[in-house]
Order: sequence, then structure tokens, then C-alpha cells
Amino acid sequence: AQSVTQLGSHVSVSEGALVLLRCNYSSSVPPYLFWYVQYPNQGLQLLLKYTSAATLVKGINGFEAEFKKSETSFHLTKPSAHMSDAAEYFCAVGPRGSYKLIFGSGTRLLVRP
Amino acid sequence: DAGVIQSPRHEVTEMGQEVTLRCKPISGHDYLFWYRQTMMRGLELLIYFNNNVPIDDSGMPEDRFSAKMPNASFSTLKIQPSEPRDSAVYFCASREQGLGTDTQYFGPGTRLTVL
Repeated sequence: AQSVTQLGSHVSVSEGALVLLRCNYSSSVPPYLFWYVQYPNQGLQLLLKYTSAATLVKGINGFEAEFKKSETSFHLTKPSAHMSDAAEYFCAVGPRGSYKLIFGSGTRLLVRP
Repeated sequence: DAGVIQSPRHEVTEMGQEVTLRCKPISGHDYLFWYRQTMMRGLELLIYFNNNVPIDDSGMPEDRFSAKMPNASFSTLKIQPSEPRDSAVYFCASREQGLGTDTQYFGPGTRLTVL
């Protein structure tokens, strides 16, 4: 069965620092991969997705993620954190041939002034 | 487009009462998903529909939960009778069918509290 693991339930960075949120997946076939963001009291919003085109995917708000098959990873990065980036981030895997999404447990990003 | 619409946004009820959550997907989307989010279990898929037909309800926790989609623009998730452990945020999401359209669009959620 496919699964996704997010390392670190909480990540704290200073404003202006690099953001790195980790995601590893388990799948025999490279799946579709997604990062969603959830702001307080809101639904999930798509940040970016990998669907087997370019391995470096650029998303909204300056975020990007790189698909690394050898490491089964899809880590999310942003060069410089803003206060407005404080939210919960979810990595999700979408098995090919399935319409389901399997979500990780989420990482809460805290941005310190 | 207004996006996925859910109502109510907040629901507080007493144990044993019936609760109905509502969802209007994005127009033209063929798939509709119901999720539940709790601190303990994270985000769980409960059920999803394709063209108004339930495809996979393996995530529905028990018989107290039921979902319907009478037409392409409306779905309900019903809990009867409700229990305190059903307290959670329930999300509805929709997506288009076909390759390259695999993004699910989420509604704002309904926060359910069962006392």
C-alpha cells in the first residue's frame, strides 16, 4: 500500500530563513505527489504538484519541491520565509490509476519575527 | 467560480442527534470526496463519488455515517446518531475527471462539535 511520511510535526524558522519541509513516500510506481497548505480555520489549498513532468516543481507563494525517485522524497522548500507562511502543510500521494489522495500527518510551520 | 461550498461552517449538537453536512462541488467536476480531520487521526478519506455514484466508502467509520449525492451539484454527509467522538472538521473536495486534472479542490470545512 502506498503511504506518505512527513518528518517533523512542527518546524520553526526565523523570518527570512530557508524553509525545508520533508516528505517521503512509499510506492512501487512513482505516484503523483502534492503539497497542500492549510491556514487556520480554512480548507486545504494546493501549493504544487508533481505529475511526472519536470522533477523540480514550482508552486505558488515562492514554494518549490523536487521529486527524487532514488530517495523517494518530495521535500518542499522556500528560500526565504515570510510571516504569512505560517500554516500547516500536507504532503499527499495520489496513486496512479486511483482517484484517491493519501495525506501525510502534516507539518505545522512557525515563522519567528 | 465560487469554489467548493460547504454548509454549515460550524455545527454544535448533542449526542444522539442527527447531523447533516452539505456540500456543493465546483461546477463541471465529476468527482466528490468527503474527508474528516482530527488531531489524532489527521486527514482521512471517508467516501468518494464519481458522476454521483459512490465508488469507495471503505473509509466510512461505521453505519451511523451515510453519504448521498442526488445530483451533480449537491452532496450530504449524515451522522445518525451522533457521538462525541465524531467531533472533527469535515471537508468536501471535488475534481475533474481525466489526465492532468488530478487536483482536488477543498471546501472550507464544517467544524462539528458533539457534546
